[in-house]
Amino acid sequence: KAGVTQTPRYLIKTRGQQVTLSCSPISGHRSVSWYQQTPGQGLQFLFEYFSETQRNKGNFPGRFSGRQFSNSRSEMNVSTLELGDSALYLCASSLATGNQETQYFGPGTRLLVL
Amino acid sequence: AQSVTQLGSHVSVSEGALVLLRCNYSSSVPPYLFWYVQYPNQGLQLLLKYTSAATLVKGINGFEAEFKKSETSFHLTKPSAHMSDAAEYFCAVSGVGNEKLTFGTGTRLTIIP
Repeated sequence: KAGVTQTPRYLIKTRGQQVTLSCSPISGHRSVSWYQQTPGQGLQFLFEYFSETQRNKGNFPGRFSGRQFSNSRSEMNVSTLELGDSALYLCASSLATGNQETQYFGPGTRLLVL
Repeated sequence: AQSVTQLGSHVSVSEGALVLLRCNYSSSVPPYLFWYVQYPNQGLQLLLKYTSAATLVKGINGFEAEFKKSETSFHLTKPSAHMSDAAEYFCAVSGVGNEKLTFGTGTRLTIIP
């Protein structure tokens, strides 16, 4: 079974540009969550999508947005990039079965904003 | 509002010794609590999750954590450390349904041969 895939793996952008990151969850997983990881702030939750609907949202500005498609693939968009957006962006897919939940993370997209 | 505090950004234990990683939480609602692990050059993995069922939660790789409401703690333990346990561990808290998952700053575990 293929794991969570994220594309691209590395990205360099300049301030003011926008970027779109993609995440393909494990087959059968309908929940996709996005996280930002930086040395200074650690891991921060961005948002979660389930069946094409945003179910939960963290404390990030509106420049950060996302969506989920009918095949559960998800994209995250960051507009008007700032230097502080440089980070590792992680995507995770989840499957809840009864009281058990499994969650798998992708390798991440490392974004550098210059 | 909810938050977690991980005591000790770096913890070193000898191989075969007890692993204890501390996590205290603050939450205005009954929390869900999580431990994640990130091995070197690998992605995050969910170790275990507490969702108000049994207070002692068993996870993968021999780890377990106990929810203690009176102490607002959710410490992670493993009876005997292996070299392969060297990694960074994150505690996290959310409301019911994974709402606004909040992570701790992480604890880097080093195993001494």
